[in-house]
Amino acid sequence: NAGVTQTPKFRVLKTGQSMTLLCAQDMNHEYMYWYRQDPGMGLRLIHYSVGEGTTAKGEVPDGYNVSRLKKQNFLLGLESAAPSQTSVYFCASSTTSGGTAGELFFGEGSRLTVL
Amino acid sequence: GQNIDQPTEMTATEGAIVQINCTYQTSGFNGLFWYQQHAGEAPTFLSYNVLDGLEEKGRFSSFLSRSKGYSYLLLKELQMKDSASYLCAVRGSSLYSGAGSYQLTFGKGTKLSVIP
Repeated sequence: NAGVTQTPKFRVLKTGQSMTLLCAQDMNHEYMYWYRQDPGMGLRLIHYSVGEGTTAKGEVPDGYNVSRLKKQNFLLGLESAAPSQTSVYFCASSTTSGGTAGELFFGEGSRLTVL
Repeated sequence: GQNIDQPTEMTATEGAIVQINCTYQTSGFNGLFWYQQHAGEAPTFLSYNVLDGLEEKGRFSSFLSRSKGYSYLLLKELQMKDSASYLCAVRGSSLYSGAGSYQLTFGKGTKLSVIP
């Protein structure tokens, strides 16, 4: 099983460039999330989605946009990249049923460097 | 809002037992998760507590006291491969149904180094 797949795994951007990170999950999960992880800061939620066609802001949404046109895909966009967006980005998904509802299944991460 | 505290780093000896503490202050509580994250990899689920008490899972156990806003992860018979960061995450409750009920807020993680 592929689980949660992120592309690309690595990317280097120049300030002001745009890019999109793609997340795909094959577990039929309702919820999907984008987190960023920085040294000393832990995982911080950027945006999330409760289902196809819906998105919502998390803790640190500024500078990012998201879309969920299909249930299995969640895209994270940077319209004008800034050095402060240099980070490791993790996509995750979760189901809403069962005792551990909310357990996150993570992708392998995407390391983004903005010069 | 939610505030989650855990030690930044810990060191323990191979074969020993180590306890990683997590304290939290939340506007609501609906479960606590522990994740393991090896360097350069994604976090993976270790344990889940929603009621007070101890949950045992092989060499790993997790304890929760809701009244004290406190949890710990206990690792027994430490192995070198246990060197990793351990993330405490709290699921808050929400006044409405929806993703807010399932969002996890993470602590900054505890980096555990196991030495021979």
